[in-house]
Amino acid sequence: DGGITQSPKYLFRKEGQNVTLSCEQNLNHDAMYWYRQDPGQGLRLIYYSQIVNDFQKGDIAEGYSVSREKKESFPLTVTSAQKNPTAFYLCASSISLTGRRITEQYFGPGTRLTVT
Amino acid sequence: GDSVTQMEGPVTLSEEAFLTINCTYTATGYPSLFWYVQYPGEGLQLLLKATKADDKGSNKGFEATYRKETTSFHLEKGSVQVSDSAVYFCALSVSGGYNKLIFGAGTRLAVHP
Repeated sequence: DGGITQSPKYLFRKEGQNVTLSCEQNLNHDAMYWYRQDPGQGLRLIYYSQIVNDFQKGDIAEGYSVSREKKESFPLTVTSAQKNPTAFYLCASSISLTGRRITEQYFGPGTRLTVT
Repeated sequence: GDSVTQMEGPVTLSEEAFLTINCTYTATGYPSLFWYVQYPGEGLQLLLKATKADDKGSNKGFEATYRKETTSFHLEKGSVQVSDSAVYFCALSVSGGYNKLIFGAGTRLAVHP
């Protein structure tokens, strides 16, 4: 079955450490996204990528970094510069945007990161 | 800027009750509208969508109609089940950019037997 996988489901880190969250998709989607979800709030966009080797900052990119070396993979690194890293992180993907209207995004199961 | 406003939760209902979750939006362009559902500890699943005015999206007994005149996209279900307990997010996306989704804060629904 096609879908998006995120690993691990739960992640614990000490303050000051960088941590990388995995996101893999086998939907053959060109576009991928990272969101952050905090309790009682909607999702906020961290980074997005429309094509391999290209990515753009979203609304809350400070303290995060990404790479897009393969179409299937879009890992997110939460750096020590991120002041409040504890959150639920969601990865999503959608079909190519080139010449198309808006299309829905498909989400992975999420990674809950706790930093103490 | 573009935004989505949802009714605050939690919404608590008995099984088989009628559900309405209100959603209104502000958008400078001509948005597509979505409802996503999130079950505890999981990611978001697309529930339904509408891409133009007067379109009705429907899935699993849920419906929502794109009302341009009232800038609304209210979610309804005629008879809820305990298994519908989840958080529901209304979202919009405006063309001309990178398919950015703008989410409401979410509405938690709790259905009891």
